[in-house]
Amino acid sequence: SQQGEEDPQALSIQEGENATMNCSYKTSINNLQWYRQNSGRGLVHLILIRSNEREKHSGRLRVTLDTSKKSSSLLITASRAADTASYFCATGGDSNYQLIWGAGTKLIIKP
Amino acid sequence: NAGVMQNPRHLVRRRGQEARLRCSPVKGHSHVYWYRQLPEEGLKFMVYLQKENIIDESGMPKERFSAEFPKEGPSILRIQQVVRGDSAAYFCASSPSNTDRGLGSPLHFGNGTRLTVT
Repeated sequence: SQQGEEDPQALSIQEGENATMNCSYKTSINNLQWYRQNSGRGLVHLILIRSNEREKHSGRLRVTLDTSKKSSSLLITASRAADTASYFCATGGDSNYQLIWGAGTKLIIKP
Repeated sequence: NAGVMQNPRHLVRRRGQEARLRCSPVKGHSHVYWYRQLPEEGLKFMVYLQKENIIDESGMPKERFSAEFPKEGPSILRIQQVVRGDSAAYFCASSPSNTDRGLGSPLHFGNGTRLTVT
């Protein structure tokens, strides 16, 4: 069955607000990655968090990982119109090619 | 530094024709991955290649689909006798290494080839 299921499926917020997206998975993982995809483009890596890490920051992005609940969250603070995109989590096994992808959260930032 | 380059960006084929998708990885990257994406869905793994070797093709249909990553030149994903169900976006990604113990390095993606079968 599918790992890395994101919720919500879609999120629409005002510019300046914070956006939180969640990812749940089913089996043990070695790492979890978040990617962004703008419409019609490829995916861009945002953050990789390893299973022994609980939180990671990168600019306006904050990722948490709770292995006991098998879940991760991506927080984007002070959202901008340019953050409008789909966000995917991918859970990793022993190798990159075993990454399993969720269906993504579509984030719309209203100006 | 050039990223992953895929061409063509858009490809239209009639049923029964062949589709050939090209991917040039980031310079210095020796690992290439092909994925398929349907609208509003996540990525589905197809095949993982290293130079001149197919490491895992478990996500690729055994019939009509093939992939290669030759010593020189781009990686090619080939779909023979295309059918309407092959219409999708096909993404290529590359990475410099597959470190062991699951400490995967991030994937670098191309902008995809959108295949439409009419």
